[in-house]
Amino acid sequence: DVKVTQSSRYLVKRTGEKVFLECVQDMDHENMFWYRQDPGLGLRLIYFSYDVKMKEKGDIPEGYSVSREKKERFSLILESASTNQTSMYLCASRTGGPGTGELFFGEGSRLTVL
Amino acid sequence: GQQLNQSPQSMFIQEGEDVSMNCTSSSIFNTWLWYKQEPGEGPVLLIALYKAGELTSNGRLTAQFGITRKDSFLNISASIPSDVGIYFCAGLKGSNYKLTFGKGTLLTVNP
Repeated sequence: DVKVTQSSRYLVKRTGEKVFLECVQDMDHENMFWYRQDPGLGLRLIYFSYDVKMKEKGDIPEGYSVSREKKERFSLILESASTNQTSMYLCASRTGGPGTGELFFGEGSRLTVL
Repeated sequence: GQQLNQSPQSMFIQEGEDVSMNCTSSSIFNTWLWYKQEPGEGPVLLIALYKAGELTSNGRLTAQFGITRKDSFLNISASIPSDVGIYFCAGLKGSNYKLTFGKGTLLTVNP
């Protein structure tokens, strides 16, 4: 079975803190994604990476950055957390090129910024 | 970004009833995926569809890839209380890495 593991299920941070969300997948997938999920807004793509060291902005990249130094690991970084970044963050991975493949999600990281 | 039109937004049914939900778009998709998400958890992939007209089952769940490639349907037969959750559709176009998601159907099953 594909496993996508997110390092923290629940985090509470203060405004201005730097936050790291880590994601590891064990199926040698090329593509990895970070989404945030908010009530009424659905899933919104923050960043994705289609290969090691490659990254592309999604629909809402402002206030976030990412790092993909190894194929299995994709990190989401909030340089200076703000209260409007309180959300459920979901990492996902997928194999295959454009237009193909199934997307598998991690269990999610619930971030609260005070 | 674009989102798929998923309906209904919510359903409240009795245990044992059948359920139908669908997603539509003005665009053509190469792949349709259906997910279930329970509270506090990540979405879990239920069914993947790759060909227009394809009908695929997973236990009591059946999904279809619409002939026009602009829609997909999910049916759940003989619902049980553990079917409760949010069901999402997602579509993938031929040239894209990024999926387009529906906003979900919230299913409540009354025992």
